[in-house]
Amino acid sequence: QQQVKQSPQSLIVQKGGISIINCAYENTAFDYFPWYQQFPGKGPALLIAIRPDVSEKKEGRFTISFNKSAKQFSLHIMDSQPGDSATYFCAASRGNQAGTALIFGKGTTLSVSS
Amino acid sequence: DVKVTQSSRYLVKRTGEKVFLECVQDMDHENMFWYRQDPGLGLRLIYFSYDVKMKEKGDIPEGYSVSREKKERFSLILESASTNQTSMYLCASRLPGQGYEQYFGPGTRLTVT
Repeated sequence: QQQVKQSPQSLIVQKGGISIINCAYENTAFDYFPWYQQFPGKGPALLIAIRPDVSEKKEGRFTISFNKSAKQFSLHIMDSQPGDSATYFCAASRGNQAGTALIFGKGTTLSVSS
Repeated sequence: DVKVTQSSRYLVKRTGEKVFLECVQDMDHENMFWYRQDPGLGLRLIYFSYDVKMKEKGDIPEGYSVSREKKERFSLILESASTNQTSMYLCASRLPGQGYEQYFGPGTRLTVT
């Protein structure tokens, strides 16, 4: 119930293409869904986040699509660039408690070929 | 500019040694976290602290302990290091509540031989 399942484990996309990473969760109490981006040698950094009261959020080339009934959410990277090559993690958390921690998926390694 | 720093980028220790990993944040955040990152396993929560001297076990606390004597500092302790604790360790901090970004440090690559 606490898991967040992420797929695919790795992804190769040509420059200019669309990258799509999917996540699924079981716990319906989750109400905050961020995506983190990690470059080699760096810690993860927040990329974009969504709450379940909206079905889509867009920031530049990055879009989160959220399907509450299916308990799934996905990250779409439009016009993928070599600089987008990184590891992406989806995550989820619930509630507004002082001690809430994020639960992460296992990550997707994205390679954008030029 | 927000900053989470970790005491070492790379660390090599011997089996059985006591190991201290230090994390400092300068954002006055109440919440601090320790994760370990392993290929194919993602980020797994070891411990977190929601306030000074407060701590909660995460998903994989066995073999670890933590200390938080001051708000800005959160230490991860390996009481007796073992080879299966060879990993990347990431510290993070954030303000409590939903929608607040969790800021990560650069990580410590620990090798136990």
